Amino acid sequence: DQQVKQNSPSLSVQEGRISILNCDYTNSMFDYFLWYKKYPAEGPTFLISISSIKDKNEDGRFTVFLNKSAKHLSLHIVPSQPGDSAVYFCAASMTGGGADGLTFGKGTHLIIQP
Amino acid sequence: EAGVTQSPTHLIKTRGQQATLRCSPISGHTSVYWYQQALGLGLQFLLWYDEGEERNRGNFPPRFSGRQFPNYSSELNVNALELEDSALYLCASSYRDRVYGYTFGSGTRLTVV
Repeated sequence: DQQVKQNSPSLSVQEGRISILNCDYTNSMFDYFLWYKKYPAEGPTFLISISSIKDKNEDGRFTVFLNKSAKHLSLHIVPSQPGDSAVYFCAASMTGGGADGLTFGKGTHLIIQP
Repeated sequence: EAGVTQSPTHLIKTRGQQATLRCSPISGHTSVYWYQQALGLGLQFLLWYDEGEERNRGNFPPRFSGRQFPNYSSELNVNALELEDSALYLCASSYRDRVYGYTFGSGTRLTVV
């Protein structure tokens, strides 16, 4: 039973355009969400997060949107750059803590085309 | 500031053997989390250690165990290795159970043959 789902295993976007990565969750107890980026042979690196009390959080080229009623979040990258090519994981936690670990989606492989 | 370090980078073991993986957290972090990423799957939560104690574990059998030392470094032991234990094992550290600041190491690739 996957509680965090990333339904697109891969996504190809042209350099300079907007990349939109989607994530759905089923557990209404989740209240803190994170996006991680992972290059091959490296560990995931934190990108951006959002608390359930917000519906948007921005950090430079990265914006995360949260729609609690739809149990959906998305990561927007504008403009997309070649270095953004990586696997992106959506993760969720309950009560903002890591006591139950983070629950991860399976990831979306983003490919930025020149 | 040194990040989370894991060793070894790669490990090859035979079915039935035991594997030991090591993790050193970021200075000041008290919690160490272990995750398994098997092929085609997302990261699955394995274990959480804080202040030397196992605080929580994911849905994994008891042959996955570990410990945390007084300097907060941690060891993950996998006994009676099975072929399906082949995966990337990632360690993360944070202060207590705070998700903010949660930082991953580069992982240990375990191959069971």
